[in-house]
Amino acid sequence: AQSVTQPDIHITVSEGASLELRCNYSYGATPYLFWYVQSPGQGLQLLLKYFSGDTLVQGIKGFEAEFKRSQSSFNLRKPSVHWSDAAEYFCAVRTSGTYKYIFGTGTRLKVLA
Amino acid sequence: DAGVIQSPRHEVTEMGQEVTLRCKPISGHNSLFWYRQTMMRGLELLIYFNNNVPIDDSGMPEDRFSAKMPNASFSTLKIQPSEPRDSAVYFCASSGEGFQHFGDGTRLSIL
Repeated sequence: AQSVTQPDIHITVSEGASLELRCNYSYGATPYLFWYVQSPGQGLQLLLKYFSGDTLVQGIKGFEAEFKRSQSSFNLRKPSVHWSDAAEYFCAVRTSGTYKYIFGTGTRLKVLA
Repeated sequence: DAGVIQSPRHEVTEMGQEVTLRCKPISGHNSLFWYRQTMMRGLELLIYFNNNVPIDDSGMPEDRFSAKMPNASFSTLKIQPSEPRDSAVYFCASSGEGFQHFGDGTRLSIL
């Protein structure tokens, strides 16, 4: 069965530091990959997505992610974190041929001033 | 673009009462999803529709839960009778171009 793993439940970084959130998926073929962000009291907002092509994808708010097929990973990165980036981040996968999305358990990011 | 609209934003009711959550997807989107989010279980897919037809309802926890999509612009999730363990945030999402747009959710508290 397809699955998505986000191994870090909580991450704390200082403002201005770089960030990498990990995501691994389990799926035989190349899936469609997504990162979403959720601020308190709000729904999930799409940061970026990967369908095919260039394995480094750029998203909103200065985020990027790199698809590595050999590692079954789709890690999210940001070179310099802002206090407003504090939120929960979800990695998700959609399998081709279906409409179903599988979400990871999320990583809660705390940013220190 | 109004986004996905959910109502109500908050609902507090007593155990045993019927609860109806509503969702208006983005116009033109042909897929609609209902999720439940709790601290213990995270984000769970309850059911999803494509072109108003339920495709997969395997995530619906019990017969107390039901969902309908009578037309392309409206869906409901109903819980009858409600129980305290149904307390959660319920999200609706719609999709039409390959990724999901989420509403702001309904925070449901069953006393």
